[in-house]
Amino acid sequence: AQSVTQPDIHITVSEGASLELRCNYSYGATPYLFWYVQSPGQGLQLLLKYFSGDTLVQGIKGFEAEFKRSQSSFNLRKPSVHWSDAAEYFCAVGLTGNQFYFGTGTSLTVIP
Amino acid sequence: DVKVTQSSRYLVKRTGEKVFLECVQDMDHENMFWYRQDPGLGLRLIYFSYDVKMKEKGDIPEGYSVSREKKERFSLILESASTNQTSMYLCASSLNSGFTYEQYFGPGTRLTVT
Repeated sequence: AQSVTQPDIHITVSEGASLELRCNYSYGATPYLFWYVQSPGQGLQLLLKYFSGDTLVQGIKGFEAEFKRSQSSFNLRKPSVHWSDAAEYFCAVGLTGNQFYFGTGTSLTVIP
Repeated sequence: DVKVTQSSRYLVKRTGEKVFLECVQDMDHENMFWYRQDPGLGLRLIYFSYDVKMKEKGDIPEGYSVSREKKERFSLILESASTNQTSMYLCASSLNSGFTYEQYFGPGTRLTVT
């Protein structure tokens, strides 16, 4: 079945530590890939997107993500986490025909 | 910047009431979407619309209907609210040009049905 998987439901990191959030998808063709962030009680904000080209994409707030076709992955990274990064993160896949699928999210806690 | 607004941030309704959730976008996007978000389930698509008066069912349309009379406005209607419709509702919009562009989200409406 087609799916977007975020294997980590919850992650806790110390402020200043590096972060990697995992995302895997299972679709036949290379989809369009997105990461969104949702602060408590808010809507989703786009962090970055991958359509084609360079497999390492830069986003807002110091985040980046790397597309690895062989692993069907699009992991989100940040070298040094700030307390304000505590939020829920969603990976999403866009297919032709305006089909859009979200993972179930990873909740990030940042400890001082 | 794209702006998507939703009519209410918090709403409390009684079982059996008819509920209207309104969404407006200001970027002339063709596509508009309604999702509900529940813990552990992520976002689930209820309905989407790709043009005025056009709509498509999403994954969980039961108990909901939608209306799009103007390009900028997309309404979600709960014909007879039930407690299992207590949830966060998110509206989104995107361009439609044959490719799947990123969606822009509103702040959400947290609906409680008692």
